[in-house]
Amino acid sequence: DGGITQSPKYLFRKEGQNVTLSCEQNLNHDAMYWYRQDPGQGLRLIYYSQIVNDFQKGDIAEGYSVSREKKESFPLTVTSAQKNPTAFYLCASSLDGGRGEQFFGPGTRLTVL
Amino acid sequence: KNQVEQSPQSLIILEGKNCTLQCNYTVSPFSNLRWYKQDTGRGPVSLTIMTFSENTKSNGRYTATLDADTKQSSLHITASQLSDSASYICVVTGVLRSNDYKLSFGAGTTVTVRA
Repeated sequence: DGGITQSPKYLFRKEGQNVTLSCEQNLNHDAMYWYRQDPGQGLRLIYYSQIVNDFQKGDIAEGYSVSREKKESFPLTVTSAQKNPTAFYLCASSLDGGRGEQFFGPGTRLTVL
Repeated sequence: KNQVEQSPQSLIILEGKNCTLQCNYTVSPFSNLRWYKQDTGRGPVSLTIMTFSENTKSNGRYTATLDADTKQSSLHITASQLSDSASYICVVTGVLRSNDYKLSFGAGTTVTVRA
């Protein structure tokens, strides 16, 4: 059963803490992406990776970090430097990293207490 | 300024009725345009994709149109069902340079279907 999974579904964080959101795919896709979704706004790109051991900043990378040690995995760390981290985070993957369809995971809702 | 604008922001329709969602974009050069459906608390799922040369594409009760000259697209939902209640997102792929693309996302239209 192929797909893209994210965990946890809900995450609560105290101010000043770092948290890591998991994203795994078994679609054999080369490219993976992290987006942030806020009410009334379009999805905004945080980081993307087109190949293992390489990743690029998106439009809103400040306060976030990623790694791509395996093709299947692209974890996102929300650091204490991110001033307004409460949001819905979506991970996506695509076959070729270009204009092909991006397949999205179910999302993680992060709330800062 | 967002390069993809969707309207209306939200709408409510009765089950069985039709509705049309609009998407205007300024992304250029243009590669393709997709409509995604996003259920509450879930990830978006692709409904249709259209390239420059295509002006209509259907997926069941969903029909998308594209006018690349005026940079407008619409998504028409026919005979709406309760399961159509969701946010519909217009996504435009622009060409930055050869083999380098960038996606621009609209804020979405929230559709609520009432029995």
